[in-house]
Amino acid sequence: GENVEQHPSTLSVQEGDSAVIKCTYSDSASNYFPWYKQELGKGPQLIIDIRSNVGEKKDQRIAVTLNKTAKHFSLHITETQPEDSAVYFCAAKVYNAGNMLTFGGGTRLMVKP
Amino acid sequence: DVKVTQSSRYLVKRTGEKVFLECVQDMDHENMFWYRQDPGLGLRLIYFSYDVKMKEKGDIPEGYSVSREKKERFSLILESASTNQTSMYLCASSMDRGPGELFFGEGSRLTVL
Repeated sequence: GENVEQHPSTLSVQEGDSAVIKCTYSDSASNYFPWYKQELGKGPQLIIDIRSNVGEKKDQRIAVTLNKTAKHFSLHITETQPEDSAVYFCAAKVYNAGNMLTFGGGTRLMVKP
Repeated sequence: DVKVTQSSRYLVKRTGEKVFLECVQDMDHENMFWYRQDPGLGLRLIYFSYDVKMKEKGDIPEGYSVSREKKERFSLILESASTNQTSMYLCASSMDRGPGELFFGEGSRLTVL
């Protein structure tokens, strides 16, 4: 089955700096890669996703990049703000195959004002 | 807005007790899921259901069972709680089996003494 590894487990940045979270996956058939953000006391929420037919996707201050050859994908947050402080999870699955998402271990991002 | 409601935010139970965790979604979603969240291990799938009275095992079903008698309600059952089941439990729903954005509840933190 799929195995997703996520690094780092914790990340502390100054407000305004950039943050990068990296994930690797094992199943070369995986072609859908979402990122979820979990704020304190809440459930995870989808913030961005990418399919394997594109290498990069942006949405305002967040972007995701995908390298299918190396089987890794990354979340980039620019101009970080205190409200970006949360736990972030990457995940992978085969699109439309009915199988379940496999999640990484999570990254706790702390943005210091 | 999709709303996934978990009946109990915090529970404290004793070893050997039977525990019910209830989850209700209000968006007529076909699919419902129970995840367990532990630090460093991410979200691990316990059970899921694609339809009423249907259930499938996830990655860590041992010690758990589920019930889906109505489309909007998915219950997780611990027949005889053990201390290693102390964890955060997250319920989620999604519209289809495809990429299917997962909509999560706020979680139920269970402590087994």
